[in-house]
Amino acid sequence: DIQMAQSPSSLSASVGDRVTITCQASQDISNYLNWYQQKPGKAPKLLIFDASILETGVPSRFSGSGSGTDFTFTISSLQPEDVATYYCQKYDNFPSITFGQGTRLEIK
Amino acid sequence: QVQLVQSGAEVKRPGASLKVSCKAFGYTFTSYDINWVRQATGQGLEWMGWINPNSGDTGYAQKFQGRVTMTRNTSINTVYMELSSLRSEDTAMYYCARSLGVVPDQFDPWGQGTLVTVSS
Repeated sequence: DIQMAQSPSSLSASVGDRVTITCQASQDISNYLNWYQQKPGKAPKLLIFDASILETGVPSRFSGSGSGTDFTFTISSLQPEDVATYYCQKYDNFPSITFGQGTRLEIK
Repeated sequence: QVQLVQSGAEVKRPGASLKVSCKAFGYTFTSYDINWVRQATGQGLEWMGWINPNSGDTGYAQKFQGRVTMTRNTSINTVYMELSSLRSEDTAMYYCARSLGVVPDQFDPWGQGTLVTVSS
């Protein structure tokens, strides 16, 4: 099974900071990588799919990049409403779905 | 709008079975797969499997094979996830989520979640 290593597990940053989260796959997954935001007590919400495509309605301060085994999720200017846990998720043609362990993001 | 609405919270005894429903609104029910994902309190997301509402075809994560069954009723745009032989470790929030591709890929939207507590 392909494993996903997401880091860091938690992160504290100031409003306006640039925030970066990484996700590493144990094997090449091309661009089959999505990013979700989960606010406390809520269901996850899709932000980015296929590594870099912004879901409709998602603010442009969110972005994703990468392919193969190494992926990056970035918030260009952190806002108070971005406090949440962020998950990467890989998929494949098997089909098999694996989520990263999550990154808890707080405001400093 | 596109929406998935799940059944309410459940409390179950160890060894019992659980059946959670997920009703779809706002799109053609048979056009997209439905997936089930669970999340223990304070923990990460764990994919359980998928169902194609058109054909009834299913695929389950290896961890749950033999214990999970996903079904659908196309007349009421509803899918069901049944989990048997419940144990305390199955205590979690259970989510349904629509996937958009030929295989489960990105999940959007998600249901509101169903809290399941397994306790004697």
